[in-house]
Amino acid sequence: AQTVTQSQPEMSVQEAETVTLSCTYDTSESDYYLFWYKQPPSRQMILVIRQEAYKQQNATENRFSVNFQKAAKSFSLKISDSQLGDAAMYFCAYRSASPGGGADGLTFGKGTHLIIQP
Amino acid sequence: KAGVTQTPRYLIKTRGQQVTLSCSPISGHRSVSWYQQTPGQGLQFLFEYFSETQRNKGNFPGRFSGRQFSNSRSEMNVSTLELGDSALYLCASSPRQGGPNEQFFGPGTRLTVL
Repeated sequence: AQTVTQSQPEMSVQEAETVTLSCTYDTSESDYYLFWYKQPPSRQMILVIRQEAYKQQNATENRFSVNFQKAAKSFSLKISDSQLGDAAMYFCAYRSASPGGGADGLTFGKGTHLIIQP
Repeated sequence: KAGVTQTPRYLIKTRGQQVTLSCSPISGHRSVSWYQQTPGQGLQFLFEYFSETQRNKGNFPGRFSGRQFSNSRSEMNVSTLELGDSALYLCASSPRQGGPNEQFFGPGTRLTVL
């Protein structure tokens, strides 16, 4: 079974600064998908960014980018120019690309609580 | 387009009772997944339905079951409730099953078991 580890329970960053959230995962598969989801205090979770393991290029979505290191099984999220609205729980998630689309659904890490200091 | 809706938003039950939670996916989405979120275990996958068929199942006892209707709406049922079933239950919908497809989450149903 796959596991996802987020080693930082909480991170704090000054507004307008850059912060990096860490995520490592363990899998024996070679093809899979990785996601970062954000859960603001209102509880509705939204997708921040996704990465397909077969793609070498790191995904980027505006101020959000990832550093995907497949050999190291690492998938960190970088948030540039942090804004107050970025404050939330951030979850790293894994999904298998095996036939059937992922026998175990999304496997989530325990999350990182991101605090933005004004 | 309306988002994923879940009803009820809050529920209080006692041990031994059963409960049914409902999820209406985004219009046109055919895949519905359910997750349990607790402070101790975090987010755990329960099951995924696509075209009225359970496609994937997480590691939960048989007390947890679900179904999907022809209009893609889904229900999950928990029988013989235990204190440990207290959690936020999240439903997520997607246009297609699995893969890199984004899952759109609902606000959740907060279940408290006394």
